[in-house]
Amino acid sequence: EADIYQTPRYLVIGTGKKITLECSQTMGHDKMYWYQQDPGMELHLIHYSYGVNSTEKGDLSSESTVSRIRTEHFPLTLESARPSHTSQYLCASREVQGSAFFGQGTRLTVV
Amino acid sequence: GQQVMQIPQYQHVQEGEDFTTYCNSSTTLSNIQWYKQRPGGHPVFLIQLVKSGEVKKQKRLTFQFGEAKKNSSLHITATQTTDVGTYFCAARTTSGTYKYIFGTGTRLKVLA
Repeated sequence: EADIYQTPRYLVIGTGKKITLECSQTMGHDKMYWYQQDPGMELHLIHYSYGVNSTEKGDLSSESTVSRIRTEHFPLTLESARPSHTSQYLCASREVQGSAFFGQGTRLTVV
Repeated sequence: GQQVMQIPQYQHVQEGEDFTTYCNSSTTLSNIQWYKQRPGGHPVFLIQLVKSGEVKKQKRLTFQFGEAKKNSSLHITATQTTDVGTYFCAARTTSGTYKYIFGTGTRLKVLA
């Protein structure tokens, strides 16, 4: 079983609030990713990191930021939540050979 | 940007029937991975294909990578209700990054 954890699992928050979604992995993987996924739909890459102090924007335009100060930790921050941010957010880390391990996701609802 | 298309988008089959999903890219791929996501769950890695024309099997699942490394397929023989979920391919381009692009997914429903 993969050791990658996301908190919180569920979050309901008001418009305009600042939120941080947490993601931690204990596998020592350098590569980590954040995806946004609406129910039953494809995964959209928001941000990724190749290691400490390395972050890149993905293909999906997003008003979010990430940081990678430690290998095991890759938090995602929304500065001002909007209803259009309502979705599931999936964090993943990737081992050297390439396979990705996903966390259980954070289901975010912005009201 | 690069897109990875999967067909069909949805598939309903009777239990015991076979199922195939196809993944197509407009550009040559370095490798391709397949993931399964159960309803309400997160994607789980199934397999990775690297070589042109490669075929790999996992019990009832057969994975194939095209000769030109632009397409791939996943075939399930004699589906079971436990096969229900969405199957995604994820492709890494030959440009050499670890930025994997996920396909649009195929949602499989198996009717008992």
